[in-house]
Amino acid sequence: DGGITQSPKYLFRKEGQNVTLSCEQNLNHDAMYWYRQDPGQGLRLIYYSQIVNDFQKGDIAEGYSVSREKKESFPLTVTSAQKNPTAFYLCASSIRAGGSYNEQFFGPGTRLTVL
Amino acid sequence: GQQVMQIPQYQHVQEGEDFTTYCNSSTTLSNIQWYKQRPGGHPVFLIQLVKSGEVKKQKRLTFQFGEAKKNSSLHITATQTTDVGTYFCAGLNTGGFKTIFGAGTRLFVKA
Repeated sequence: DGGITQSPKYLFRKEGQNVTLSCEQNLNHDAMYWYRQDPGQGLRLIYYSQIVNDFQKGDIAEGYSVSREKKESFPLTVTSAQKNPTAFYLCASSIRAGGSYNEQFFGPGTRLTVL
Repeated sequence: GQQVMQIPQYQHVQEGEDFTTYCNSSTTLSNIQWYKQRPGGHPVFLIQLVKSGEVKKQKRLTFQFGEAKKNSSLHITATQTTDVGTYFCAGLNTGGFKTIFGAGTRLFVKA
């Protein structure tokens, strides 16, 4: 059963704690992405990775970090430096980052609430 | 930087009425994609347009890509309650690797 998974679905953390969100895909896609969505808002790109061991900052990378040590995994760490971390986080993947094969497949998302 | 503007932000329609959302880019696009996000769900890919002036149809949905490859539209004929959700356009810059999403148009359909 191919797809992209995110865990957990809901996550609660205390202010000042770092938290890591999981994203795994078995679609053999080269590119992976992290987005943040606030209530009633669009998708804002946090980080993206075109290939293993490579990643680039998106539009709102401050306070976040990522790694891409394996093709199928792209975890996102929300650090204590992120001033307003409560949001819905979406992970996505695509065959390529550019060109004709960049349609994105999204995971179910993780709703992070910082108390 | 590249911007993708989408209007309207919200649209309320009576079931059976038509609906259109518009997308405009500040730069020429390599392609444009459309996604649908149901309330509480995640975005799902609908279609990709690549060619200048391209028109594609999926049942009651019609997608257009402008001649200059800077704008696009999604038109739904005779809306149904199953059409509710937020529709996003997403543009890829020519030669680029980063897809920029519009803010989305949220569609409400009253039965």
